[in-house]
Amino acid sequence: DTEVTQTPKHLVMGMTNKKSLKCEQHMGHRAMYWYKQKAKKPPELMFVYSYEKLSINESVPSRFSPECPNSSLLNLHLHALQPEDSALYLCASSPMGGSWTNEKLFFGSGTQLSVL
Amino acid sequence: QQPVQSPQAVILREGEDAVINCSSSKALYSVHWYRQKHGEAPVFLMILLKGGEQKGHEKISASFNEKKQQSSLYLTASQLSYSGTYFCGTALTQGGSEKLVFGKGTKLTVNP
Repeated sequence: DTEVTQTPKHLVMGMTNKKSLKCEQHMGHRAMYWYKQKAKKPPELMFVYSYEKLSINESVPSRFSPECPNSSLLNLHLHALQPEDSALYLCASSPMGGSWTNEKLFFGSGTQLSVL
Repeated sequence: QQPVQSPQAVILREGEDAVINCSSSKALYSVHWYRQKHGEAPVFLMILLKGGEQKGHEKISASFNEKKQQSSLYLTASQLSYSGTYFCGTALTQGGSEKLVFGKGTKLTVNP
């Protein structure tokens, strides 16, 4: 199984809602990532979990709250989002994390989020 | 520091060749290439490591010149399936952590 599965595929939420994005991989990868991608832009890193511990937080606003319950699961909890947070949210995993000399990312198909 | 890609967009006819460039103002130890088709997730193509090696994926190959701090992706005899946006990524160390930073992308359109 070489897939990263993300749910839901689409999400529409109001600015007062609380929702969660879910990501799952069963490749035994020890690093998992959240990226945000706006239309016609490259993916921008938000968070990195390495061995289930948060290792990188790219100064993301606290209305985004990541969680890594175990090595296969990654959640992104959303609360009080703004319309400018509308974007494609991509989850990714990689075997080890840490050094990028020989590491490759496996991306999920993403959640298209619209904040009204 | 984000790597710089050129050109921003390329339009080809099927069978034509294209080159996409990626450069950095900082020393590079590796360059990563990904392709993203419209509405899909980015897909890993290859990693180029220090040493000027070339790698290939189908009829797509790449070179890496660490002295010039640049990499080039070569698409030979392009196929319709090559259409998409190509991103190069380079490792950036910040605050003791290393992360992969993508360039702005090159949109490739292959027409029949």
